Amino acid sequence: DTAVSQTPKYLVTQMGNDKSIKCEQNLGHDTMYWYKQDSKKFLKIMFSYNNKELIINETVPNRFSPKSPDKAHLNLHINSLELGDSAVYFCASSQGSGVQETQYFGPGTRLLVL
Amino acid sequence: RKEVEQDPGPFNVPEGATVAFNCTYSNSASQSFFWYRQDCRKEPKLLMSVYSSGNEDGRFTAQLNRASQYISLLIRDSKLSDSATYLCVVVGANDYKLSFGAGTTVTVRA
Repeated sequence: DTAVSQTPKYLVTQMGNDKSIKCEQNLGHDTMYWYKQDSKKFLKIMFSYNNKELIINETVPNRFSPKSPDKAHLNLHINSLELGDSAVYFCASSQGSGVQETQYFGPGTRLLVL
Repeated sequence: RKEVEQDPGPFNVPEGATVAFNCTYSNSASQSFFWYRQDCRKEPKLLMSVYSSGNEDGRFTAQLNRASQYISLLIRDSKLSDSATYLCVVVGANDYKLSFGAGTTVTVRA
C-alpha cells in the first residue's frame, strides 16, 4: 500500500522522443509536486498542483508539461527529450501547501536519455 | 549565492560518535526549516522539522540560528543505520516553495 507511487521506475530512451511519467498518491492529499534531482544531487522543484490547479511553475522548459486529471494524480509529460533531461524525477504530495507541510516522496523515476 | 548550502561531507564516524553539521540559507525571510534524510538511490523522507527554540527527536537535535541564517543537525550515539545523506530544506517566505540543499553525507562505520 505505497503512499506515493510512480511509474515507470526506470526509463531509458533516445533523444527527441516523447515520454510520460505517472504519479499517484493514496494519502488523500491536496497538493502534489514534481522535483528533478540531477547528478549533483540537487533536488529542484519543477511544478506544484493544489487541488488540480497549478500553483508553482519554476523556470522549466515548456517541453515539460504536467497534467493533473484529479487531485490524486499528477503526471509529467516530456516532449523532445534532451540529454540534459537525464535525472531522477521525484513526485511528492502533502496535505496542503502551507509552510509546515510534510512532503511525502515517491520512489523516483530514473530517466536516462541516450 | 545558492539559496541553501551544505557541507557535502562525507563525515565518516565510528559507531557511537557524535556528528554535527550545518546548513546556511540566503533568504532571511524564510519561514520553515526541515531536515530530510535520503538513503542511496531512495526517495527523501522527513527526518524532523526545525523549530526556533530547537528541538530533539531521540538521538537527533536540530537548531535554528536566524541571526546567522543557519540550521544545524546533531546526531548522538551514531548507529550504522544513520548512514545516509541529510538534506537541509528551507521554505520560502512568499511562495512556500521548498528549497533543498545538496545534502551532507554521513557514513557510520562499525
